[in-house]
Amino acid sequence: NAGVTQTPKFQVLKTGQSMTLQCAQDMNHNSMYWYRQDPGMGLRLIYYSASEGTTDKGEVPNGYNVSRLNKREFSLRLESAAPSQTSVYFCASSEPVHLYFGPGTRLTVT
Amino acid sequence: QKEVEQNSGPLSVPEGAIASLNCTYSDRGSQSFFWYRQYSGKSPELIMSIYSNGDKEDGRFTAQLNKASQYVSLLIRDSQPSDSATYLCAVTLNSGGYQKVTFGTGTKLQVIP
Repeated sequence: NAGVTQTPKFQVLKTGQSMTLQCAQDMNHNSMYWYRQDPGMGLRLIYYSASEGTTDKGEVPNGYNVSRLNKREFSLRLESAAPSQTSVYFCASSEPVHLYFGPGTRLTVT
Repeated sequence: QKEVEQNSGPLSVPEGAIASLNCTYSDRGSQSFFWYRQYSGKSPELIMSIYSNGDKEDGRFTAQLNKASQYVSLLIRDSQPSDSATYLCAVTLNSGGYQKVTFGTGTKLQVIP
């Protein structure tokens, strides 16, 4: 089992560009999450999906959208990237509250 | 007041000593408590979970929970250089049928050989 996979691992964007971060899990978990991690701020929840077909905002949703494509896949989209979105992004899945994290995407917005 | 608070460290301990990591949380309704370990440049991984007051031991790790004091701790016995990492405290709270997980900012542990 691969667990939770994320693509890409690294990305550099210019301000205003858009991109989609992909996440997939093979553990048959219902719940999936997107977090961002910034120095001194810890892990902050962007969006979560408690089950296939549902998504909800977390602590810091502004500037992001998500899609729960099916039970396995949960993508995060930045429509118009801003320098404040420079961060490390982690996808996670859980069943029920033990979180399994992907390897992360390091995003830089210039 | 932050929902989950941890001292950012670094906490430096010599090899073989006991490392003590502490965490406080603000919501008395919090239900489940976790410790995640995160190596530099890697993703967090769960090392301990605790749900009721008292101690829970797993190998060299002991988690302690005191709900009255809203306090969670992690003890690492016989600390090894490989234990050097950031330790994240996480707390769950039932929020509208969803188990909301809130993380502290983490404590960096350095084990000195």
